[in-house]
Amino acid sequence: AQSVTQLGSHVSVSEGALVLLRCNYSSSVPPYLFWYVQYPNQGLQLLLKYTTGATLVKGINGFEAEFKKSETSFHLTKPSAHMSDAAEYFCAVSGPGANSKLTFGKGITLSVRP
Amino acid sequence: EPEVTQTPSHQVTQMGQEVILRCVPISNHLYFYWYRQILGQKVEFLVSFYNNEISEKSEIFDDQFSVERPDGSNFTLKIRSTKLEDSAMYFCASRESPTANTEAFFGQGTRLTVV
Repeated sequence: AQSVTQLGSHVSVSEGALVLLRCNYSSSVPPYLFWYVQYPNQGLQLLLKYTTGATLVKGINGFEAEFKKSETSFHLTKPSAHMSDAAEYFCAVSGPGANSKLTFGKGITLSVRP
Repeated sequence: EPEVTQTPSHQVTQMGQEVILRCVPISNHLYFYWYRQILGQKVEFLVSFYNNEISEKSEIFDDQFSVERPDGSNFTLKIRSTKLEDSAMYFCASRESPTANTEAFFGQGTRLTVV
């Protein structure tokens, strides 16, 4: 069984500040980990993913995340927030098997203050 | 850029009515999924579909739910007799191949409101 915990429902940062969105997972098999972003009235868009190999993964729009097995974490960061980053962010986990479904966290809404 | 398209964007229906949510996956994709998100809760897996049959379904996906690929392009989710608790955002997704490291592309969602 797999699960994802995203603590808190809302994070607010100032433009130019560090963005840190936390994600912890539980998985009985080697996890594949994903961050998705949803802008208003749009679908879920893949930001980045970890499958195997390098534990620090870079995604679109300057985001990156680090897989830490010892902490069962996959936190999302961006050094400098931009107004356009305001959106809802979802962490998800799947197993490595074929046709594996995604198990999502509740999502975090990121607000960026001018 | 190819995208998954869902219609309608918002549907309001009376309790007990049947609804059909429609999705057009990306054309060369073979694996299809429905997820839903009740307001304030997690995005939950409902069902996966390949080769005209269900691959996996969650405990949410009971006899009130069905999926179909009626014409080779559309992928539909039918709820036979809607309940108030079916109110949620429903997302369709598709994948080119089933391996977990390939990207699942999501539609923009259909917000279903049951009154």
